[in-house]
Amino acid sequence: SYELTQPPSVSVSPGQTGSITCSGDKLGDKYAYWYQQKPGQSPVLVIYQDTKRPSGIPERFSGSNSGNTATLTISGTQAMDEADYYCQAWGSSTDDVVFGGGTKLTVL
Amino acid sequence: QVQLQESGPGLVKPSETLSLTCTVSGGSISSSSSYWGWIRQPPGKGLEWIGNIYYSGTTYYNPSLKSRVTISVDTSKNHFSLKLSSVTAADTAVYYCARRGGSYSSAFEPWGQGTLVTVSS
Repeated sequence: SYELTQPPSVSVSPGQTGSITCSGDKLGDKYAYWYQQKPGQSPVLVIYQDTKRPSGIPERFSGSNSGNTATLTISGTQAMDEADYYCQAWGSSTDDVVFGGGTKLTVL
Repeated sequence: QVQLQESGPGLVKPSETLSLTCTVSGGSISSSSSYWGWIRQPPGKGLEWIGNIYYSGTTYYNPSLKSRVTISVDTSKNHFSLKLSSVTAADTAVYYCARRGGSYSSAFEPWGQGTLVTVSS
């Protein structure tokens, strides 16, 4: 079965740029999606189709996807960005859904 | 603006069947551009996709759960449902419903608030 691998944790200083990676076999041939989840809340979509931002998501969130790695980048990180982030792609077919294990982003 | 709300028992006994319903408001579950999905999250762990359903009734399930999962849709009530049979403590999780598709390609958005289901005797 298809797997997506994320680092368990990433730390970034306020105002700096933080990046979270998501790795999977030929992930660049698929679309990658990213979700932000704060404690006690439901996930929120922050990036879709590799690079696009849903309405209401700040411009400091950006994404890329190439080769075997998709990356979520947060520029000018703010304390409010501290959360768990999950990548998602399709698996063996476009109807099959796979989530990465999640990355805890700490802003300190 | 589409909103989703999960409902169902918060406590299920081992070996029994977990049953949840997701009610869609602010839009039609019969939208041709949308699938409707169930995702779960065990306490302190990551997200796990359970399955999707189209308004026509076409379903897609996580292979690891397929033998125990049934997702159905009732377009007259604008809701879809999840049944998970032969539950164990490992099925204890927050269960979310979400729309897949719409304006955001194959992404899940929006999500319901989630409902905690505990499997315990």
